[in-house]
Amino acid sequence: GQSLEQPSEVTAVEGAIVQINCTYQTSGFYGLSWYQQHDGGAPTFLSYNALDGLEETGRFSSFLSRSDSYGYLLLQELQMKDSASYFCAVRAMDSSYKLIFGSGTRLLVRP
Amino acid sequence: DTGVSQDPRHKITKRGQNVTFRCDPISEHNRLYWYRQTLGQGPEFLTYFQNEAQLEKSRLLSDRFSAERPKGSFSTLEIQRTEQGDSAMYLCASSSTAGVAKNIQYFGAGTRLSVL
Repeated sequence: GQSLEQPSEVTAVEGAIVQINCTYQTSGFYGLSWYQQHDGGAPTFLSYNALDGLEETGRFSSFLSRSDSYGYLLLQELQMKDSASYFCAVRAMDSSYKLIFGSGTRLLVRP
Repeated sequence: DTGVSQDPRHKITKRGQNVTFRCDPISEHNRLYWYRQTLGQGPEFLTYFQNEAQLEKSRLLSDRFSAERPKGSFSTLEIQRTEQGDSAMYLCASSSTAGVAKNIQYFGAGTRLSVL
């Protein structure tokens, strides 16, 4: 089976940096993705790590270490609009490319 | 590119009734997915189409659930004899099969189903 664990909630101050961790137990996967979801909205793609290391996209960075079964999403220069739920997901090791999601981390950005 | 659209956005029904949801994916995407999301949880995979072929169904998809993608474009998800446990957000996503884009799924805003 496959399971992904994330902290349920994180609070940070506007302008700060926050790291959201994701640990996983899986027999194998192709890559680790991160999605953002505002209340009532659609999950939207943030980043994808196919290989170990750091991927940077603007204020967001994502990291993967397969040897440690661990990844994280780093959000810099936090803005109020970053308040949302963040999900890590692995891409299943079959031809479907379906995603297996963690239970999500709710980020609250305070002024 | 108008994104993935789902209709209706909200559906309230009585237990035992049938409901049908529609998803219009991004036009050039040939992969289409249905997920279910309950409050405080991540989306859970239900089923997947490549073009018009339904290639995989989750064990979550009981006999009361059926999905179609008749012409490889829009898709419908039908739930027969709804139960209160079916109350959830039903999300549709689509993706390309080309290059790095195959790793990105684009989600619709979902249909929120409430079974009374």
